[in-house]
Amino acid sequence: GAVVSQHPSRVICKSGTSVKIECRSLDFQATTMFWYRQFPKQSLMLMATSNEGSKATYEQGVEKDKFLINHASLTLSTLTVTSAHPEDSSFYICSARPAGGGSYNEQFFGPGTRLTVL
Amino acid sequence: KQEVTQIPAALSVPEGENLVLNCSFTDSAIYNLQWFRQDPGKGLTSLLLIQSSQREQTSGRLNASLDKSSGRSTLYIAASQPGDSATYLCAVYGTGNQFYFGTGTSLTVIP
Repeated sequence: GAVVSQHPSRVICKSGTSVKIECRSLDFQATTMFWYRQFPKQSLMLMATSNEGSKATYEQGVEKDKFLINHASLTLSTLTVTSAHPEDSSFYICSARPAGGGSYNEQFFGPGTRLTVL
Repeated sequence: KQEVTQIPAALSVPEGENLVLNCSFTDSAIYNLQWFRQDPGKGLTSLLLIQSSQREQTSGRLNASLDKSSGRSTLYIAASQPGDSATYLCAVYGTGNQFYFGTGTSLTVIP
């Protein structure tokens, strides 16, 4: 149980295009999902917290107009990188927290999406 | 703001050796601490989660301890195997309602 999927696993796009990444909790409902970014040889940095049915909360320095987050259901959150540029190339990972907090407020992580912007 | 540090940044050991990875955090007001494994280019695999009220957790050859008052956690790996080679991340979940990740320890187990 507690599986989180991400789609696509890998995407290559041209500069200036928009890319949508999906994060799904497959066997549980998640009122809160988190989006992280990881640059090569660095740790994960939280970008934003996504709450079902409300606006996402962005971390300082993350442009909300560039990284659009939609959490329309209890099992799906999407991250859209708008007008992507090479510096947006990174590994994007989502996590989901079960509704009600689950055991010990545990989060479950997706497998990540590798974005390469040419 | 919570800061999480992991030492060492990289570690290379011969197969069969026992080893300890260290994690320290600056704010002791945490709900839990979690250890993850990350293989190159892959996502995170949860290894162990320790609640703030707990002192340690064990799973197979892995044992994680938590000393919240001193802001430290260790991950002990017994009888290391080449398949244990990966980056190990610790993360703390606190009153800020978010995970703060450590910088990671890259482990190489030499056959």
